[in-house]
Amino acid sequence: EDKVVQSPLSLVVHEGDTVTLNCSYEVTNFRSLLWYKQEKKAPTFLFMLTSSGIEKKSGRLSSILDKKELSSILNITATQTGDSAIYLCAVGSNTGKLIFGQGTTLQVKP
Amino acid sequence: NAGVTQTPKFQVLKTGQSMTLQCAQDMNHEYMSWYRQDPGMGLRLIHYSVGAGITDQGEVPNGYNVSRSTTEDFPLRLLSAAPSQTSVYFCASSYTGQDDGYTFGSGTRLTVV
Repeated sequence: EDKVVQSPLSLVVHEGDTVTLNCSYEVTNFRSLLWYKQEKKAPTFLFMLTSSGIEKKSGRLSSILDKKELSSILNITATQTGDSAIYLCAVGSNTGKLIFGQGTTLQVKP
Repeated sequence: NAGVTQTPKFQVLKTGQSMTLQCAQDMNHEYMSWYRQDPGMGLRLIHYSVGAGITDQGEVPNGYNVSRSTTEDFPLRLLSAAPSQTSVYFCASSYTGQDDGYTFGSGTRLTVV
């Protein structure tokens, strides 16, 4: 059975801290791993990763995939209160199915 | 270009009633999916489709039916609503399946009493 597991499930930090969110997966016919941010509404797309060891960056956010370890991390540096959200990891297979993890709820305090 | 449109935004049903959640996209996306989101559970895949006439079950398909007669529309039918189906439902679509990321609708909050 396909499975995506995120950790931690929740995290509270202060502005300026750096956080690392984890995602591990067991998915048949892996095609890609995606990260989304959700703030009280629909998820919005952050990154898509397909190759091991290649970092994707967008401002203070970065992510990398380790296909040997079947995992990915999402880093957020110099966190701001606007980063407070649920961060979702999803893994896609060649069948077109996209499976999500439980999400990590990040709260950034001023 | 409206993106992914879900209707209704809110719905209250009585146990045993049936209803259809509508989802339409105008981006010519082949891939469409339905998810439900419950607190602490992330998004769970109900059904998905890789093109008109093709549908498949996801992680939690029981109690739900789908059909895909056109590329644009992917309705989700609740056959006999149960309180366990109280949730927020999201429809999502993608051109390639993953590479461009799925675009999500704004969601339908369903309460079954």
